[in-house]
This record gives sequence, structure tokens and C-alpha cells, in this order.
Amino acid sequence: DAGVIQSPRHEVTEMGQEVTLRCKPISGHDYLFWYRQTMMRGLELLIYFNNNVPIDDSGMPEDRFSAKMPNASFSTLKIQPSEPRDSAVYFCASSSSTGQGYGYTFGSGTRLTVV
Amino acid sequence: AQSVTQPDIHITVSEGASLELRCNYSYGATPYLFWYVQSPGQGLQLLLKYFSGDTLVQGIKGFEAEFKRSQSSFNLRKPSVHWSDAAEYFCAVGAYAGNMLTFGGGTRLMVKP
Repeated sequence: DAGVIQSPRHEVTEMGQEVTLRCKPISGHDYLFWYRQTMMRGLELLIYFNNNVPIDDSGMPEDRFSAKMPNASFSTLKIQPSEPRDSAVYFCASSSSTGQGYGYTFGSGTRLTVV
Repeated sequence: AQSVTQPDIHITVSEGASLELRCNYSYGATPYLFWYVQSPGQGLQLLLKYFSGDTLVQGIKGFEAEFKRSQSSFNLRKPSVHWSDAAEYFCAVGAYAGNMLTFGGGTRLMVKP
């Protein structure tokens, strides 16, 4: 298994532009999580899905952020319009609710810089 | 609500010395507990996990952790630290394997030669 795959690895964009981050979870995992990591705030859960349905989006900072999971193998996190304070590393993770699971498996992250 | 506290933000140890990273959790039922490691520029990698049974669990890279219910702790240990262990370590607690994990603030480990 290739693990959780995120793209792009790095993104530099100008303030006001739309940014789309992508995630492919591990096949068979029914949970998907989006996290943001910054020096100041650490790891923050933004939103998570179960069986492609958003369960808790209370961590999404504001309406500029949106996330979708159109099928079990793909999810996007979109920021529109982007602002410099959105600069962070965004992680996607997936897990399974069957058996004893493995905890989360994280992707390598997308480092977003908004200038 | 569940919570995790990692009291030490930074720890520095000499190479070859033993290591213990502290983790305290708050959860009403039997928790699922995890330790993750994050090397610079990388994602979080699972080191070990505790679900039930033996309270001393072994993980990858020579790490182990002990679940102590009476102390609400799940401390991570390694008998002899290697320079490559320098990283940030996160403790996490969850209700069950697939559900949302709550992460501690992390402990950054530095290793002196």
C-alpha cells in the first residue's frame, strides 16, 4: 500500500487566490481527517469524514475553507480566497473502524505558503 | 471530553542516554492510546499503540510505552537514544480505533552528541 497520498507537497500562492489540496486515503479506510499544523497552534483538526460524509467540521476556521469527499478514494480541502494567515502544513490522515485498526495513517502533508 | 497533556515542550538528552517522554490523558472510559513521531518536514508516523491487555507495549525503533490507569499516563521510553531519534513526539487518545484522536501539544526531542 502506498499509504495516504497528498498533493501537492508544496504550494506557494498569492493572497486572494484559490487553493485546492488533495488527498487519497488508504484503500478500505472509512475515516478521513484533515489537520492543520502551525508553530503557534500545533495540530488542529479541521474536519473529518466517515464513509464520505462530513461528520464534524467545527474546526474549519471560517467560510473560506471547504472540504469534500466525493468518493472513498479522494478528498479535497479548498481555501478561497486564501490569506497569509492560512500558511501552514496541512495533513490528511485516514483510519479504519474495523478490527483494532492502526490509529491514523498520515500523509506527508502539503506545505502552503500564502504571500 | 478527552484531552492529552504532554508537560515537556522540549527535552534534550545525550546520545546513548535513556529517554522518557511524559503523557497524561483525560478520558472517562478505557482509552485507546497512541504515540506518533514527526521528523522535520515529514508527516506523523505511528510508533506504538495501546488498546487493551498487557500495559507495556512495544513499538518500532526500540520504543516502548507503559499504560498506567491509576496515573492516567502513557509515558514513552527508550533505553538508549540515537541521534536519529531527534524529532517531535505526539501522544494521542481516542475512543476507539477509527474515531477522532485528540493529540497532545508535542514534545520536541533534541539529542546531543
